[in-house]
Amino acid sequence: DADVTQTPRNRITKTGKRIMLECSQTKGHDRMYWYRQDPGLGLRLIYYSFDVKDINKGEISDGYSVSRQAQAKFSLSLESAIPNQTALYFCATSVTDSNQPQHFGDGTRLSIL
Amino acid sequence: KQEVTQIPAALSVPEGENLVLNCSFTDSAIYNLQWFRQDPGKGLTSLLLIQSSQREQTSGRLNASLDKSSGRSTLYIAASQPGDSATYLCAVTGSARQLTFGSGTQLTVLP
Repeated sequence: DADVTQTPRNRITKTGKRIMLECSQTKGHDRMYWYRQDPGLGLRLIYYSFDVKDINKGEISDGYSVSRQAQAKFSLSLESAIPNQTALYFCATSVTDSNQPQHFGDGTRLSIL
Repeated sequence: KQEVTQIPAALSVPEGENLVLNCSFTDSAIYNLQWFRQDPGKGLTSLLLIQSSQREQTSGRLNASLDKSSGRSTLYIAASQPGDSATYLCAVTGSARQLTFGSGTQLTVLP
């Protein structure tokens, strides 16, 4: 089984719908992250959490919210989806030491019509 | 604001060639620099991490260098193989411990 699991892997939905993307990890890492990837733009940080009681905005948090339900679970919500939120979304985890790499899930491909 | 640039955006080489991927960043106050590999339909896999006090890291046929003062890093791949075909991403960790990514170099190694 994958260490970082994202569900769903693919989602097509309509403008205005509420969407939740889920991430769970078995690595025991304290830190979790949500990124989006757009063609030609690389990955950009949406939100991150350094522990269960810590939530921080990233570069592009507008239109998104997150919940850290447990050390192993970090969900991303789009309250009212819009077409320009169509992208590939990645969850990642890491240990507290910033000189250790982040570990990524396989991504969720989200299309908003 | 940190900006990370990767050149070229795409590269195609015959099998067996040695190649260099380039990464540049605008703010030299970094904590570390990482190179990732991304395969289609998959997440990112960390290849090498160079701490700010280090000049290079090696793993198998991969060697990454870091020149912090000039804001540059290179990823050298020796004796390339078709299995090396993927997108390679460079990312820097800044003082806030957040990663800033480049847009990647898509590498194709032809048999």
